[in-house]
Amino acid sequence: EPEVTQTPSHQVTQMGQEVILRCVPISNHLYFYWYRQILGQKVEFLVSFYNNEISEKSEIFDDQFSVERPDGSNFTLKIRSTKLEDSAMYFCASSVSREKSYFGAGTRLSVL
Amino acid sequence: DQQVKQNSPSLSVQEGRISILNCDYTNSMFDYFLWYKKYPAEGPTFLISISSIKDKNEDGRFTVFLNKSAKHLSLHIVPSQPGDSAVYFCAAKNNAGNMLTFGGGTRLMVKP
Repeated sequence: EPEVTQTPSHQVTQMGQEVILRCVPISNHLYFYWYRQILGQKVEFLVSFYNNEISEKSEIFDDQFSVERPDGSNFTLKIRSTKLEDSAMYFCASSVSREKSYFGAGTRLSVL
Repeated sequence: DQQVKQNSPSLSVQEGRISILNCDYTNSMFDYFLWYKKYPAEGPTFLISISSIKDKNEDGRFTVFLNKSAKHLSLHIVPSQPGDSAVYFCAAKNNAGNMLTFGGGTRLMVKP
């Protein structure tokens, strides 16, 4: 069964450093998303991307965050200058339509 | 943000019996609801969904019921199996976009 793949599985970085989290969505999907889950909290929406542009974003997705689909297969989330509170599990998801989204296994980001 | 709420953090059920997981929402703009299952170190896995125009959707052992007037939905698993032990998330979408709003999750333990 096709799946969303995310790399790396665990990323450790120093506060203030830039990180790029990578995702390969399911190949025929058109909508792409990033979510995050801080330890002990709910899964929170960050951003959705459709037709090569951001279609929705939450208040969390501020100027420190950006997304890109640099080629036909990858979808990336960049955090320009990481803060301690960015430590979380980041999930990439994709969907064919407005309906069910398929999630990757996540990247655990640890900011020291 | 308490737009989607799962009031039971955990539920323990005997193998073979029915598991009922509950979810309440406050946003009347939500028009599509989903249940996801999550194992440790994995991303959420789609289980079943329901549109607001329906009150029931069934897929094998899983049935989701929607009560729009009460803003309540439930997931029934019957018969429950030990492999169903996981965290179950309720999620909702509104008719304006694609973002999912998640509940806090219910940890289901099915005892052999």
